Amino acid sequence: NAGVTQTPKFQVLKTGQSMTLQCAQDMNHEYMSWYRQDPGMGLRLIHYSVGAGITDQGEVPNGYNVSRSTTEDFPLRLLSAAPSQTSVYFCATHLGSYGYTFGSGTRLTVV
Amino acid sequence: GQNIDQPTEMTATEGAIVQINCTYQTSGFNGLFWYQQHAGEAPTFLSYNVLDGLEEKGRFSSFLSRSKGYSYLLLKELQMKDSASYLCAVKGREGYQKVTFGTGTKLQVIP
Repeated sequence: NAGVTQTPKFQVLKTGQSMTLQCAQDMNHEYMSWYRQDPGMGLRLIHYSVGAGITDQGEVPNGYNVSRSTTEDFPLRLLSAAPSQTSVYFCATHLGSYGYTFGSGTRLTVV
Repeated sequence: GQNIDQPTEMTATEGAIVQINCTYQTSGFNGLFWYQQHAGEAPTFLSYNVLDGLEEKGRFSSFLSRSKGYSYLLLKELQMKDSASYLCAVKGREGYQKVTFGTGTKLQVIP
């Protein structure tokens, strides 16, 4: 079992470019989330999904889109990258009281 | 909304005991998580408390008082590998996936 797989691990974008961060899980968990982590800010929820075809906004959704066509995949799209989106992004699955299982993270720099 | 407070940094000696506190104010409460995050890595699940009291898991214990909006993580017999950030996270009632993370406590274990 790979758990939660995120790609890429590192990415540099120019302002205005778009890209998709990939997240795949093999745990058959219904719940998936995207967080960003910035120094001094903690983990902040961007978008989440409670199952295939169902997504909702978190705390900081602006500039990001998500879709959930299958249980396994939950990609995060940056529509037009801005320097404020420089961050570490974590995808996570969640099963009840067992807490989150996080992917290894994507370190994104927007120049 | 949710507000979570943790000390920013702590230092403790190898072999000692350290207590990391977390206080929270929430509009609803449905459980509290503790995660460990080593530098450059993803958070990993440590514990989940939903009822008042102490939960023990080996060298780690977590305590919750819902009436006081207070939790702590107790680490015994500290080892150098325990040097990491410890994140407190609260699950509210407004949505199953809406877990709010504190900014974390960076623990340094010294010889």
